[in-house]
Amino acid sequence: EDQVTQSPEALRLQEGESSSLNCSYTVSGLRGLFWYRQDPGKGPEFLFTLYSAGEEKEKERLKATLTKKESFLHITAPKPEDSATYLCAVQGYNNNDMRFGAGTRLTVKP
Amino acid sequence: DSGVTQTPKHLITATGQRVTLRCSPRSGDLSVYWYQQSLDQGLQFLIQYYNGEERAKGNILERFSAQQFPDLHSELNLSSLELGDSALYFCASSTPGGSQETQYFGPGTRLLVL
Repeated sequence: EDQVTQSPEALRLQEGESSSLNCSYTVSGLRGLFWYRQDPGKGPEFLFTLYSAGEEKEKERLKATLTKKESFLHITAPKPEDSATYLCAVQGYNNNDMRFGAGTRLTVKP
Repeated sequence: DSGVTQTPKHLITATGQRVTLRCSPRSGDLSVYWYQQSLDQGLQFLIQYYNGEERAKGNILERFSAQQFPDLHSELNLSSLELGDSALYFCASSTPGGSQETQYFGPGTRLLVL
């Protein structure tokens, strides 16, 4: 069964303090690994899709990387507006659905 | 704005009742997915429809059902509601093709069962 584990559960950073979020996964044939951002009470907002080990994607202060077992979301010089829950999900060749991790709740203090 | 719309935004009802949640996918998307998000469970996949046909089923209760209409909008029907059904319900849509299908989520419907 596909599984996704995210760590840490919560992360508090000072503005400008760079860090990384981890997403470990097991899936029988990876079709895609997805990162979403979710603000409280709102729908997940798509950030990145990665589908092969070694791939990297960047968007503003965020950079996502992928290996065969895990993905990292690196946040460089975060700002308070980056505060949100970051969700990781995988889609395998055996499934049409996405399996989500529990998320990392990021708080960036000014 | 993802382009996926959901109505209503909020719904308050009583145990034993039945409700219908509605979703309109992004223009051109043929697939619709339904998810449930509660505080202790995270995002759980319920069901997927593709161009009117059921394509995949997740952890959907027998009290719940869904359908996708010819205009591609979808409805999720929840019946015999229990307190534990209180949650955020999200719809997502995607365009088929390629090695993976990125799903775009709507704003959700918050259901409170009293």
